[in-house]
Amino acid sequence: DIQMTQSPSSLSGSVGDRVTITCRASQSISDYLNWYQLKPGKAPQLLIYAASRLQSGVPSRFIGSGSGTDFTLTITSLHPEDSATYYCQHTYTSPYSFGLGTKLEI
Amino acid sequence: QVQLVQSGAEVKRPGASVKLSCEASGDTFNKYAVHWVRQVPGQTLEWMGWINVKADTKSSQKFQGRVTFGMDASATMAYMELNNLRLDDTALYYCTRIYCASPSCYKFLGGFDPWGQGTQVTVSS
Repeated sequence: DIQMTQSPSSLSGSVGDRVTITCRASQSISDYLNWYQLKPGKAPQLLIYAASRLQSGVPSRFIGSGSGTDFTLTITSLHPEDSATYYCQHTYTSPYSFGLGTKLEI
Repeated sequence: QVQLVQSGAEVKRPGASVKLSCEASGDTFNKYAVHWVRQVPGQTLEWMGWINVKADTKSSQKFQGRVTFGMDASATMAYMELNNLRLDDTALYYCTRIYCASPSCYKFLGGFDPWGQGTQVTVSS
C-alpha cells in the first residue's frame, strides 16, 4: 500500500502570509495527488486535483505542485477563512490513502 | 450542480449492522464511481471502498468481509452496509464521487468531489 506522509502536522500564520504544506508518497504516484480542505461541521472540499489543477470555484491563492513522490500545497496569501485542516490523498491505485492532515490556524 | 445527500445519524450496538445511503441530487452517478470515506474522531480520513454503476466494487482490505456497497438502478442512490459493528467503527461516514477514466471505471480521473454532508454512526453498548 502507498503511504502518504504529510508535514507539518500543524502550523499557524497571519493574514497575508504565504504557507506551504508538503506531502510525500512512499512510491511514485505520477500526478495522482489531490488536496482537500476540511472545516468542522462541513463536508470536505476538493481544492487541487492531479497535483496542480485548481478545482472550479477554488480561489487562485491555492497552488499545488509536484509529481512522482513529492508534492506541495501553497497558500500564497492567507485569508481568515483558510483556517482548516488540509489533507493530501493519492488516487493512483487502491487503497486511496490520505495523509494525516495539517491543521492551519490563522 | 450535483449535491450528495446522506441519510441521518445512526446509533447501533456492537455486533449490529448499519446501512447508509447517499443520494445524488441534480445528477446521476453515471460515468462516476461512488467512494466511501470515514473519519474516526481525532484521526485522518480513511478510504473504505467504491462502487460504480455496473455494480463493480472494491473495498479496503481492512473492511473486506464486513462491508457491502450497492447502487440502485437509476444510478442516483448508493448504499454502504457495514456489518458486525465494533466500538471503533464510531465515526463520521462520507460518500463522494470521482470521474471514471474509462468505460470500465476501474481507474479514475480528478479528485473526490463533491462530498456528502456525512452520516454520524455511533456504536455503543
